[in-house]
Order: sequence, then C-alpha cells, then structure tokens
Amino acid sequence: DIQMTQSPSTLSASVGDRVTITCRASQSISSCLAWYQQKPGKAPKLLIYKASSLESGVPSRFSGSGSGTEFTLTISSLQPDDFATYYCQQYNTYPKTFGQGTKVEIK
Amino acid sequence: EVQLLESGGGLVQPGGSLRLSCAASGFTFSNYAMSWVRQAPGKGLEWVSAISGSGGSTYYADSVKGRFTISRDNSKNTLYLQMNSLRAEDTAVYYCVDEREQWLEYTPYYYMDVWGKGTTVTVSS
Repeated sequence: DIQMTQSPSTLSASVGDRVTITCRASQSISSCLAWYQQKPGKAPKLLIYKASSLESGVPSRFSGSGSGTEFTLTISSLQPDDFATYYCQQYNTYPKTFGQGTKVEIK
Repeated sequence: EVQLLESGGGLVQPGGSLRLSCAASGFTFSNYAMSWVRQAPGKGLEWVSAISGSGGSTYYADSVKGRFTISRDNSKNTLYLQMNSLRAEDTAVYYCVDEREQWLEYTPYYYMDVWGKGTTVTVSS
C-alpha cells in the first residue's frame, strides 16, 4: 500500500498568514493527489484534485503543487473560515490512502 | 446539484450485519464510480470500498475484504454497502462519495468529489 505522510500534524497560525502543508507519498503517484478540508462534525470537502487543479467554487487563496512523491497545499492568506483539518489522498493505486491530517488552529 | 444521502446506520452487536444505502440525485448516477469512506471517532479518513459505474468492478480495503460487499442499483440511483461480521473497530461514520474521472497518459484515475453527510455505525455489545 502507498503510505501518505502529512506534516505538520498541527499548525497554529493567525488570520492573514501564509500556510503550507506538505504531503509525501511512499512511492510515485504522478499527479493523482487530492486535498480535502474537514470541519468538526461535517463531511470533507474537495479543495484540489490532480495535485494542482482548484475545485469549482473553492477560493483562489488555496493552491496545490507537486508531482511524484512530494506535494504541498498552500493557503495564501488564512481566513477565519479556513480553520479546519486538511487531508491529502492519493488515488493512483488501490487501496486509496489518506494522510493522517493536518489541523490548522488559531494562534 | 449533486446530493448523496446515506442511511442504514445504527447500533449492532459484534458479529452482526448491517446494510448501508446511499441515495444519489443531481447527476447521471450510472456514469460515475462511487466509494465508501469511513472515519472512526476522533480519527482520520479511511477509504473502504469503491465500485465502477456499471458495477462490474469492485475494490476493497484489506481491513474489510471478505466481510463487506459494495453494490449499486443504477435503476434506483442507489449505492449499498453490506457489512457482515462486524467488529468494534468498524465503528465509524460512513460516507458515500461520488468519484470523478481524470485522464493521465491514456489511463483513467478517479478522485473523490462530493461527499454525503454520513451515517453512523456503532458496533458494541
């Protein structure tokens, strides 16, 4: 199975900060990577697919980059609505695997 | 608008069975692969199973292989997950998710798009 490792596990930041979350795959997954946002008690929401394609309706302050084994999710200017947990997921190979999540907290 | 509504969750004893359903609307159901993803209390996301649009191909996580069966009825726009031999570690919120296609070097790959609100399964005596 492909292991997905996110860092950091928790991130404390202030409104307006630039935030970067890293996701590493244990083997190459090409560009088959998605990022999801989840708020407490809610279902996850797709933000980015194909490593860098922004899902329709998602604010442009979110961006993704990377290919192969190293990927990043960047929030250019953190907004109050962005405090949540973020997950990466590879869909190159079954079983589809998620990172362990990165919780973005208010500093 | 794509809508997915799960049902069928509840409290079941270890070793018992449960069938989850997911009613889909707002898109041509038979054209899309679907997945089930679960989340244990306080834990991260775990992909459980997937099925192709026709139902001809199915995939399972090792943790549920041989115990869970995914299926779909395209005439009813409904996805199912039959769960047998349930264990305490199957306790989770189960989400139904539709998958969208991405082509890469002449090969299709499927990413998860819209998620239902989830249904809670509790396995306990």
